[in-house]
Amino acid sequence: IQLTQSPSSLSASVGDRVTITCRASQGISSFLAWYQQKPAKAPKLLIYAASSLQSGVPSRFSGSGSGTDFTLTISSLQPEDFATYYCQQLNSYPLTFGGGTKVEIK
Amino acid sequence: EVQLVESGGALVQPGGSLRLSCAASGFTSSDHYMDWVRQAPGKGLEWVVRTRNKANSYTTEYAASVKDRFIVSRDDSQNSLYLQMNSLKPEDTAFYYCCAYVRKGSFGWYPDYWGQGTLVTVSS
Repeated sequence: IQLTQSPSSLSASVGDRVTITCRASQGISSFLAWYQQKPAKAPKLLIYAASSLQSGVPSRFSGSGSGTDFTLTISSLQPEDFATYYCQQLNSYPLTFGGGTKVEIK
Repeated sequence: EVQLVESGGALVQPGGSLRLSCAASGFTSSDHYMDWVRQAPGKGLEWVVRTRNKANSYTTEYAASVKDRFIVSRDDSQNSLYLQMNSLKPEDTAFYYCCAYVRKGSFGWYPDYWGQGTLVTVSS
């Protein structure tokens, strides 16, 4: 299953609302996760099961979607949110990741 | 405190072998699914292999790119995960992360815990 993330990069300002999309090449129900990765760090789980917020993750992060189309939204971008974001499908093997979206400071 | 610490990364020649280790602490690794995920420098994430938990007989799944070359194993007495990598290719060059999954009720298993990664470089 291929996951296509868009955009591949974006520039935004602190306080902006940011939306990242992930499209699966076939239906994956809600078996989708979103991760945040900062340079030289391991990925961090933000959202599981498409829309469930991982414990300890700020509520400005939210996920939605099912089937083939998914969205990660950051309601009000904070300085610590500048990072690369990945989606991953856990519906079937091989598990696959999207290509990533780099969120940069405008 | 839950911690995963990878080790064993090194520079190795094409065709060579290497064994990575992932030491778990703060939880019993045999209760959890565990994966290896890799990331070539400056590139995206690639899933490599899964080993299910003891209750599911430690069954495994491999990415096509490493099947028949890589072997995942566990040692419960050491609370550790291993990745034996054989017939290494330059395209195997990457940071290798181990991660431990937690069951989220009916939603399935998701990787709550990640190590810091270990770098494998395959080059002559």
